[in-house]
Amino acid sequence: DGGITQSPKYLFRKEGQNVTLSCEQNLNHDAMYWYRQDPGQGLRLIYYSQIVNDFQKGDIAEGYSVSREKKESFPLTVTSAQKNPTAFYLCASSIGTETQYFGPGTRLLVL
Amino acid sequence: GENVEQHPSTLSVQEGDSAVIKCTYSDSASNYFPWYKQELGKRPQLIIDIRSNVGEKKDQRIAVTLNKTAKHFSLHITETQPEDSAVYFCAASIGYNFNKFYFGSGTKLNVKP
Repeated sequence: DGGITQSPKYLFRKEGQNVTLSCEQNLNHDAMYWYRQDPGQGLRLIYYSQIVNDFQKGDIAEGYSVSREKKESFPLTVTSAQKNPTAFYLCASSIGTETQYFGPGTRLLVL
Repeated sequence: GENVEQHPSTLSVQEGDSAVIKCTYSDSASNYFPWYKQELGKRPQLIIDIRSNVGEKKDQRIAVTLNKTAKHFSLHITETQPEDSAVYFCAASIGYNFNKFYFGSGTKLNVKP
């Protein structure tokens, strides 16, 4: 777990603003994922990437965008099109069919 | 796609008692079932997992059972302790080249001292 970092820990977004959440891993994992967690609910998949320069939409991709230019980095942008962005965002990584390991999370709040 | 249902949503037990959390899944092709523990405001941590070629797996006070025919799997915690209090999530995945997880909605376990 210590090999996955997310920043910032807290992020505040103004209306109409795009914000970017950082996720970095030094585990040499090929696959990376972004999840959204709302209070009292499970994790919902936003985007995932199996390999550099490739990514796919998850179940709730609308209003979000990602890039995967480097193996160790998978930033998530919450765009102004996401009308209800307040949530806890978790990044994860895995190698092949092994289990996913999660970062510490970023809590996004709307001003 | 896969649909994972988890019950109960909350569970309160006395310290020392056992706790059981159950999950069902819909896709018979699912072949990997991890369980995560999440403390308040923290990241989910893997506590145990099971693959479809195994019916049961134990790790000290924690065990997981899998019934492929009925498409359900359960987490068993024995001799519960206050530090077991957390939210527990089950997940199912069809892992070939990589794992796309489908998570249950979580069970909040409260162990009363």
